[in-house]
Amino acid sequence: EAGVVQSPRYKIIEKKQPVAFWCNPISGHNTLYWYLQNLGQGPELLIRYENEEAVDDSQLPKDRFSAERLKGVDSTLKIQPAELGDSAVYLCASSRQGGMITFGSGTRLTVV
Amino acid sequence: RKEVEQDPGPFNVPEGATVAFNCTYSNSASQSFFWYRQDCRKEPKLLMSVYSSGNEDGRFTAQLNRASQYISLLIRDSKLSDSATYLCVVITGNTGGFKTIFGAGTRLFVKA
Repeated sequence: EAGVVQSPRYKIIEKKQPVAFWCNPISGHNTLYWYLQNLGQGPELLIRYENEEAVDDSQLPKDRFSAERLKGVDSTLKIQPAELGDSAVYLCASSRQGGMITFGSGTRLTVV
Repeated sequence: RKEVEQDPGPFNVPEGATVAFNCTYSNSASQSFFWYRQDCRKEPKLLMSVYSSGNEDGRFTAQLNRASQYISLLIRDSKLSDSATYLCVVITGNTGGFKTIFGAGTRLFVKA
């Protein structure tokens, strides 16, 4: 079984620039998550999808962050404009509903 | 109070030692529990599920105490390769909607 695929692995951008991350979940997993992880902290949920519906986006900073999962499979997370404090690891994950979560390898974002 | 709390450590133990971590949760309706392991600069990976009856996998034992609302992870005969951050995960909800919360992690260093 192929795992959760994320790209890019690393991204360095200047502040105020836009950035996008892509994720392809495990086949058959209808739940997709985007997490943010800062150094020394656990993953913090940004948004959760059930199929193509965003069912929990309460922690997503909607002024600059957006996400989509148009066909209920792969997803993109966008930040526009990026700020210095957005530097972190962005983890995509998937699961069957209510089941154990499998993570992708993450995108390490550095905003300079 | 955080919904899921862990002692951040670090726990520094010699090889061969037994070490235990606890993780407390605040929602008594939580129904699924997991331990994840995260190596430096890697994504979290499932270590084991936690059942009410306890769960043992080799040198690792996970237990759930619903009355006191905590889960535990015991590692016997520690190996150098056990050095990592251990994240507890608590899931609350049902098919109508669920919530997955990660603890901030407990760091373990096993030394020769």
